[in-house]
Amino acid sequence: EAGVAQSPRYKIIEKRQSVAFWCNPISGHATLYWYQQILGQGPKLLIQFQNNGVVDDSQLPKDRFSAERLKGVDSTLKIQPAKLEDSAVYLCAGRRGNEQFFGPGTRLTVL
Amino acid sequence: RKEVEQDPGPFNVPEGATVAFNCTYSNSASQSFFWYRQDCRKEPKLLMSVYSSGNEDGRFTAQLNRASQYISLLIRDSKLSDSATYLCVVPGFSGGYNKLIFGAGTRLAVHP
Repeated sequence: EAGVAQSPRYKIIEKRQSVAFWCNPISGHATLYWYQQILGQGPKLLIQFQNNGVVDDSQLPKDRFSAERLKGVDSTLKIQPAKLEDSAVYLCAGRRGNEQFFGPGTRLTVL
Repeated sequence: RKEVEQDPGPFNVPEGATVAFNCTYSNSASQSFFWYRQDCRKEPKLLMSVYSSGNEDGRFTAQLNRASQYISLLIRDSKLSDSATYLCVVPGFSGGYNKLIFGAGTRLAVHP
């Protein structure tokens, strides 16, 4: 079974630029999560999808962050414009039962 | 009170030592709990699930105290390969769907 795929693995941008991350969860995982993990902290949920619908985006900074999962499979997370404090690892995860399976993450550095 | 709080660490222990981490949670309605392990620059992976009073898997024992709302993870006979960050995870609910709330993690360094 293939794992959760994410790209790019690393991204360096300057503040005020835009960036997009892509995730393809494990086949059949209807629930998809995007997390932000700042250095030294645990993952913080940004948005949760059930198939192609959003079920929780209460912690997503909607003035600059957006996410979509149009066909209920892969998903993109966008930041526009980026700020210095957005530097973090962005993790995508799917769920089977009570276990979440994470992708390798995208490490974003905003200069 | 934070939803999930953990010992900050880091814990530096020699090989063979026994080490325990504690985690407290605020939602008394939570029924199941998890410990995830995260290696440096890697993604978190499920280590253990805790559904009742506790769970044991080889050198790892997780215990749950519902009255005091804390979970512990005990590692016996520590190995160098146990060096990682251990994340305490508590379920939550939003929009009728399950979600996981992660603690900040406790860093363990096992040295020779």
